[in-house]
Amino acid sequence: QQQVKQSPQSLIVQKGGISIINCAYENTAFDYFPWYQQFPGKGPALLIAIRPDVSEKKEGRFTISFNKSAKQFSLHIMDSQPGDSATYFCAASSGTYKYIFGTGTRLKVLA
Amino acid sequence: EAGVAQSPRYKIIEKRQSVAFWCNPISGHATLYWYQQILGQGPKLLIQFQNNGVVDDSQLPKDRFSAERLKGVDSTLKIQPAKLEDSAVYLCASSFNGNTIYFGEGSWLTVV
Repeated sequence: QQQVKQSPQSLIVQKGGISIINCAYENTAFDYFPWYQQFPGKGPALLIAIRPDVSEKKEGRFTISFNKSAKQFSLHIMDSQPGDSATYFCAASSGTYKYIFGTGTRLKVLA
Repeated sequence: EAGVAQSPRYKIIEKRQSVAFWCNPISGHATLYWYQQILGQGPKLLIQFQNNGVVDDSQLPKDRFSAERLKGVDSTLKIQPAKLEDSAVYLCASSFNGNTIYFGEGSWLTVV
């Protein structure tokens, strides 16, 4: 119930392509869904986040799509760039501010 | 604004030894977290503080791990005695309102 399942584990995309990472959850008490980006040797940093009252949120090249009925959400990176190469984590939290993280997706964007 | 500060950045110890990690959160952040991140996995919550009180420590191996947050600011995470499987990055994070958590760069522990 507390898990957040993330896929794929790794992803290779050509420069300019679209990167798509998916996450699924079970606990309907979750009400905040952030995505974090982590570069080697650094801590995760917030990229974009969504609440379940909207189905999509876009910030620049990054878009979260949210499907409340399916309990799934995904991150889309448009026009992927080599600088986007990093590990991406989805997460979910509820009113207690306790965050559960997915297992991560290692993205490599080829130049 | 200064970020979350952690020290030491790197530590190598032998099994059964002890180690302590220190965290200074962003000023004014009431919520402080310690996460364990094993290589290739997502961060796993060890303990969550609200000011100097524990909110959640259900996944903290209390027979060997301890944490405290004195005066609701800095925090220390201790491991004693360390096991090989404790090799990981220990991430401290803090939050003002719970909507966004800010991570430090982590303390890398290798137990040999």
